[in-house]
Amino acid sequence: DTEVTQTPKHLVMGMTNKKSLKCEQHMGHRAMYWYKQKAKKPPELMFVYSYEKLSINESVPSRFSPECPNSSLLNLHLHALQPEDSALYLCASSQELDEKLFFGSGTQLSVL
Amino acid sequence: LAKTTQPISMDSYEGQEVNITCSHNNIATNDYITWYQQFPSQGPRFIIQGYKTKVTNEVASLFIPADRKSSTLSLPRVSLSDTAVYYCLVGVRSSASKIIFGSGTRLSIRP
Repeated sequence: DTEVTQTPKHLVMGMTNKKSLKCEQHMGHRAMYWYKQKAKKPPELMFVYSYEKLSINESVPSRFSPECPNSSLLNLHLHALQPEDSALYLCASSQELDEKLFFGSGTQLSVL
Repeated sequence: LAKTTQPISMDSYEGQEVNITCSHNNIATNDYITWYQQFPSQGPRFIIQGYKTKVTNEVASLFIPADRKSSTLSLPRVSLSDTAVYYCLVGVRSSASKIIFGSGTRLSIRP
């Protein structure tokens, strides 16, 4: 299994909602990442987990809350988002930190 | 972190060889050079990685001159399905550094 699976594929939420994005990999990778990508822009790094511990937080607003329950799962909890947070949210994993990244197909998020 | 500079866009035709050059003037001694491909509404996909000279795999070649201040991704005999955005990244493997994407090159292949 060489896939990173992200759910849901699409999400529409209001500014007062609470939702979660999920990411799963079964490649035994020890590093997992969240990226945010706006249309026609490169992916922007948000968070990095290494061995289930938060390694990097790129000064992301607290309305985004990551969680790594185990080595195969990565969640991104969303609360009180703004319309400008609408974007494609990409999860990735790698064998070790900063090695070749395997990306999921992303969750297309729209905040109304 | 070493910054990368790539052309914003390139056009070519099916069956041609396409070369995309990336500049990384302040690359560090331990940095590797990695290229990813991204199709619309999908996550980026790893293409190739190298440190110096030339690396070749089943989809592309990567040429890195001795000073390592630039690199060239070569796609042989492109097809319409190679239309995508190509990102050049520079960073260290297995360290606490960050994998940061540059602006990328939007490659369009025409029949």
